[in-house]
Amino acid sequence: AQSVAQPEDQVNVAEGNPLTVKCTYSVSGNPYLFWYVQYPNRGLQFLLKYITGDNLVKGSYGFEAEFNKSQTSFHLKKPSALVSDSALYFCAVGGFSGGYNKLIFGAGTRLAVHP
Amino acid sequence: ETGVTQSPTHLIKTRGQQVTLRCSSQSGHNTVSWYQQALGQGPQFIFQYYREEENGRGNFPPRFSGLQFPNYSSELNVNALELDDSALYLCASTTGGSSYEQYFGPGTRLTVT
Repeated sequence: AQSVAQPEDQVNVAEGNPLTVKCTYSVSGNPYLFWYVQYPNRGLQFLLKYITGDNLVKGSYGFEAEFNKSQTSFHLKKPSALVSDSALYFCAVGGFSGGYNKLIFGAGTRLAVHP
Repeated sequence: ETGVTQSPTHLIKTRGQQVTLRCSSQSGHNTVSWYQQALGQGPQFIFQYYREEENGRGNFPPRFSGLQFPNYSSELNVNALELDDSALYLCASTTGGSSYEQYFGPGTRLTVT
């Protein structure tokens, strides 16, 4: 079965420190991988995606993610966290056969950046 | 902010009633998807519409139905509401295939009592 796992419910990091939010996936074929962020009372905002090519992808607001095919992971990273990065982060996988844009999301990881 | 809008923002219904949620896609987007996000969970795919036709559906019963209009706006209809239908309903639009990111609206919070 196709699935996405975000093993940490919450990640705590001090402002200025690097952050990592973990994501692993289980799908057949070559997946398309996405990260979205959700702020309170707002919809999901697209951060970045991996389709093919370079395993390190850069996205919005200084975020980047590393695709690792052998470990089936797509961890989100940022070199220096900001308090304003505090939000709910979702990893998602798409690119399924059938020609439609279904996304399977993980359960989400709450990032808390402390001053 | 994306160009996707949803209405209403909040809604309270009674078990057994019917509800219609509305979504206006971002300009130029011809594909709209609906997701259900229960409290503390990630969004779950309900279905997708492309050029007014449903072309993909998740594991949701037939009492969840939808429409897409010629201007690519969309409706989600839920009949015979159950308590478990209480959730945030998200609409997302895109213009391309599955390699393209989806743009999400702010959602409609549905509470079923």
